[in-house]
Amino acid sequence: GNSVTQMEGPVTLSEEAFLTINCTYTATGYPSLFWYVQYPGEGLQLLLKATKADDKGSNKGFEATYRKETTSFHLEKGSVQVSDSAVYFCALSGAGNKLTFGGGTRVLVKP
Amino acid sequence: SAVISQKPSRDICQRGTSLTIQCQVDSQVTMMFWYRQQPGQSLTLIATANQGSEATYESGFVIDKFPISRPNLTFSTLTVSNMSPEDSSIYLCSFWTSGSREQYFGPGTRLTVT
Repeated sequence: GNSVTQMEGPVTLSEEAFLTINCTYTATGYPSLFWYVQYPGEGLQLLLKATKADDKGSNKGFEATYRKETTSFHLEKGSVQVSDSAVYFCALSGAGNKLTFGGGTRVLVKP
Repeated sequence: SAVISQKPSRDICQRGTSLTIQCQVDSQVTMMFWYRQQPGQSLTLIATANQGSEATYESGFVIDKFPISRPNLTFSTLTVSNMSPEDSSIYLCSFWTSGSREQYFGPGTRLTVT
């Protein structure tokens, strides 16, 4: 079956530091890949997506590239802010458009 | 984009009782889903809510425990039956947009069972 593995947190950074969250997946076929973000006390928001190999999703300074050869979709941001403190979930869509989520990575950005 | 809402936003319930959670989308959508997020954990799909037919449940979830209704293309309910403290979770509904191939989530219902 499908699975998503992402690096465990928490990840603690200083403001303006570079952020990388690793995500790898196992899936049959050619899934779409997503990053969702959950800010403290809020619901789940779609951050970015990529629907085919070599696609790059981007939003709010975050980027992730769909790497089929390494089955990865790592999330990056060049300069984080305190407001980026949240839990980030990597996910893929499989048969029936069902989402399979990774375990989530908590990111804490300190001023 | 469509707006999705859930009611209630939170509840505290007694063991052995049932709670029905409502999910409303402000436009017609084909596919709706229900997920569970246990404390400090990731999201797990409970079932796909099918309009006009029975829901399709994932492994480990059964209709007697989590009955789902989908009377039309904008609305669905999830009932958590005969609750125990292990059912304390955030329950989220979502819908899939075929055009943009994206899935959007409701704000969630935080359930605490005592």
